Amino acid sequence: DIQMTQSPASLSASPEEIVTITCQASQDIGNWLAWYQQKPGKSPQLLIYSATSLADGIPSRFSGSRSGTQYSLKISRLQVEDTGIYYCLQRYSNPYTFGAGTKLELK
Amino acid sequence: QVQLKESGPGLVQPSQTLSLTCTVSGFSLTSNSVHWVRQPPGKGLEWVGAIWSGGSTDYNSALKSRLSISRDTSKSQVFLKMNSLQTEDTAIYFCTRSRNWFDYWGQGVMVTVSS
Repeated sequence: DIQMTQSPASLSASPEEIVTITCQASQDIGNWLAWYQQKPGKSPQLLIYSATSLADGIPSRFSGSRSGTQYSLKISRLQVEDTGIYYCLQRYSNPYTFGAGTKLELK
Repeated sequence: QVQLKESGPGLVQPSQTLSLTCTVSGFSLTSNSVHWVRQPPGKGLEWVGAIWSGGSTDYNSALKSRLSISRDTSKSQVFLKMNSLQTEDTAIYFCTRSRNWFDYWGQGVMVTVSS
């Protein structure tokens, strides 16, 4: 199984700051990587797909990048509504696996 | 618009079988795949399995021996059956549409395994 090592586990930042969350894949997954945001009591919402493509309706302050088998989600100009838990997902091979999640809180 | 809704019993006894239904609207099951993802209380997400647009299935190998996913395209429904339930199967179960990516999700259904 492909392991997705996500860091940090938690993060606290101030509005307007820039934050970065990373996922390291245990093997090559190409661009088969997505990022999701989940708010309490809600289902996950797709933010980024194919490592770098912004999903419909997602603000442009969210962006994704890739360097080899390391993937990053950057949130520029952090907003209060960005609090939640962020997960990466690899869809390269079965079983599809998620990172453990990053809990983002605003100061 | 695209919608998915999970339904099923909230409480299942240990060793019994779980049966869940995902009713979809706004898209065709013959053109899209539907996946199941679960989330134990306070924990992360786990992919459970999928039924593809052609009707074939894939399962998480950790659950494969206990799991079955099927569908009724005339009713726009996808079914999950998991047997020999244990307490560690307690989770919110989501169904989600996939066109390469899980883009629309149901609200989830909480399943508690307890006697």
